[in-house]
Amino acid sequence: ETGVTQSPTHLIKTRGQQVTLRCSSQSGHNTVSWYQQALGQGPQFIFQYYREEENGRGNFPPRFSGLQFPNYSSELNVNALELDDSALYLCASSLLDTGNTEAFFGQGTRLTVV
Amino acid sequence: AQSVTQPDIHITVSEGASLELRCNYSYGATPYLFWYVQSPGQGLQLLLKYFSGDTLVQGIKGFEAEFKRSQSSFNLRKPSVHWSDAAEYFCAVGARGTDKLIFGTGTRLQVFP
Repeated sequence: ETGVTQSPTHLIKTRGQQVTLRCSSQSGHNTVSWYQQALGQGPQFIFQYYREEENGRGNFPPRFSGLQFPNYSSELNVNALELDDSALYLCASSLLDTGNTEAFFGQGTRLTVV
Repeated sequence: AQSVTQPDIHITVSEGASLELRCNYSYGATPYLFWYVQSPGQGLQLLLKYFSGDTLVQGIKGFEAEFKRSQSSFNLRKPSVHWSDAAEYFCAVGARGTDKLIFGTGTRLQVFP
């Protein structure tokens, strides 16, 4: 158990809809990163939030957006869902201030777009 | 370009046999290196990490990895594999002060009794 929790665990959406995924970071952590893991692939970095500000973004379109709240929990929002958005979405929390970074992952949200 | 290559997509070993999973990276700065394990439908669990110092690092579940800067490699090893080690293994690289990780495509390990 890493202390990072994600909800929901599974989700089915229709193409064109919008979805919000949630992540509660481990106690004491101030950074949340989101990854997309397509079937049979390694996780791909979407973006990171550090102390409520976006702190880097991977090669994902603007319809992927996020938020981090004062308690350091986070949301990932995806608009105009496409079939290729079907994947396992992983959230990872860490404490960036220490320099020796170690990311702790949640169990993920399995999103299926039909 | 920054990247991680795991040349072996699928490896099958017998229980009790030794294991080595390969990982090569391309990274401009001093890399931080990680190995994660993922069971089906689950998140990622950290096995071990290398930040600096001794190039042979020990992790959980009896795994170890050796950082070889000259070969840009960080191979994972275990002297005797257990059936419960069957899973997907991911090598990842990041930079100091960040946990924006670049992952390889993974190696699926199958263990036969």
